[in-house]
Amino acid sequence: GEDVEQSLFLSVREGDSSVINCTYTDSSSTYLYWYKQEPGAGLQLLTYIFSNMDMKQDQRLTVLLNKKDKHLSLRIADTQTGDSAIYFCAETPEAGNMLTFGGGTRLMVKP
Amino acid sequence: EPEVTQTPSHQVTQMGQEVILRCVPISNHLYFYWYRQILGQKVEFLVSFYNNEISEKSEIFDDQFSVERPDGSNFTLKIRSTKLEDSAMYFCASSESRGTNEKLFFGSGTQLSVL
Repeated sequence: GEDVEQSLFLSVREGDSSVINCTYTDSSSTYLYWYKQEPGAGLQLLTYIFSNMDMKQDQRLTVLLNKKDKHLSLRIADTQTGDSAIYFCAETPEAGNMLTFGGGTRLMVKP
Repeated sequence: EPEVTQTPSHQVTQMGQEVILRCVPISNHLYFYWYRQILGQKVEFLVSFYNNEISEKSEIFDDQFSVERPDGSNFTLKIRSTKLEDSAMYFCASSESRGTNEKLFFGSGTQLSVL
């Protein structure tokens, strides 16, 4: 079946850029998402990218997609302490279809 | 911003008991979902629901599980006879449609502990 993998943990200093990486196996993945989960909260959709795009920028967030390598990354510029959370990568072959999630990357931002 | 509400936030039950997890989706949304996350594992899809019927379900969603939208506002997940391995965080989600720009809004989850 489909699989989505992420590294478990990332620590950065406030003001630095963070890059969270994700790999996936399903070549029919059409929609790829990044969700953020803060303690005690649900999963908040941050951004998404379609498989026909290489890059998407949304304020401090930049998503890069390498379809050949099935690699997705989320770059957060000027990382703030409020960005500390777990970040989940997810994919689906069809919009609104069931999402396959990665295990999440815990981002810790040190002041 | 509108939000999906889940109750209770924590539920403790004895093995073999029935539990009902409740969710109030966002009011104009039409598609509803349940996901779960066992401690230390990935978030997994359970079921999607539209127009008062299940539209998709995963292998996890066996005969022990059922979903219902009893009154037009609540969306419930029932586990008939809980097992230890049902212990997990259960997330409800809803979306307005299944379009390409669709956002899934998730609730903050119900932590189910089966003893």
